Amino acid sequence: EAGVTQFPSHSVIEKGQTVTLRCDPISGHDNLYWYRRVMGKEIKFLLHFVKESKQDESGMPNNRFLAERTGGTYSTLKVQPAELEDSGVYFCASSQLAGTEYQETQYFGPGTRLLVL
Amino acid sequence: LAKTTQPISMDSYEGQEVNITCSHNNIATNDYITWYQQFPSQGPRFIIQGYKTKVTNEVASLFIPADRKSSTLSLPRVSLSDTAVYYCLIDTGRRALTFGSGTRLQVQP
Repeated sequence: EAGVTQFPSHSVIEKGQTVTLRCDPISGHDNLYWYRRVMGKEIKFLLHFVKESKQDESGMPNNRFLAERTGGTYSTLKVQPAELEDSGVYFCASSQLAGTEYQETQYFGPGTRLLVL
Repeated sequence: LAKTTQPISMDSYEGQEVNITCSHNNIATNDYITWYQQFPSQGPRFIIQGYKTKVTNEVASLFIPADRKSSTLSLPRVSLSDTAVYYCLIDTGRRALTFGSGTRLQVQP
């Protein structure tokens, strides 16, 4: 079974440009999460989808970030316009819809390394 | 939200047992303790989760004392491939995971 995949693996763009990151979760996983780690900092939660609905977007830094999950399958995270401080590694994770809140294992993708110059 | 504290780094040799302790003094009654492992250039990977006493799986053991204010991840007979960052997380039931700085384990030959 394929794991969580992310595309591209690396992206180098200039400040002010737009970048779109894609995440394909494990098939059948209703929960999809975006996290990121900026240079020297800890991995931080960005948002959570349940199927196509945004369940929690409390971690989104500002309105330059737009996440979508049309059809409840893959998700995209667009940064427009990109700023220098957006550089970092963006991780996607997915999990099955658990009956209880606990013991939900999140499966992470390899991440997209974004560098804004 | 329970804050976790764990050593920044640890060194070990192949074949040794490694114990990484995490403190979480203000853990709540319903919280679970979860450990993730992260290799370079990869995303974090779930290792083990527990609530109290001891949990063991094919990868590791997790020891949790009665007061639950700390937990210890035990890796038996580590190999070079166990070199990674290990994160202790408190699962509050809120689906978003909260990562700390983790413990960077370096296994030497």
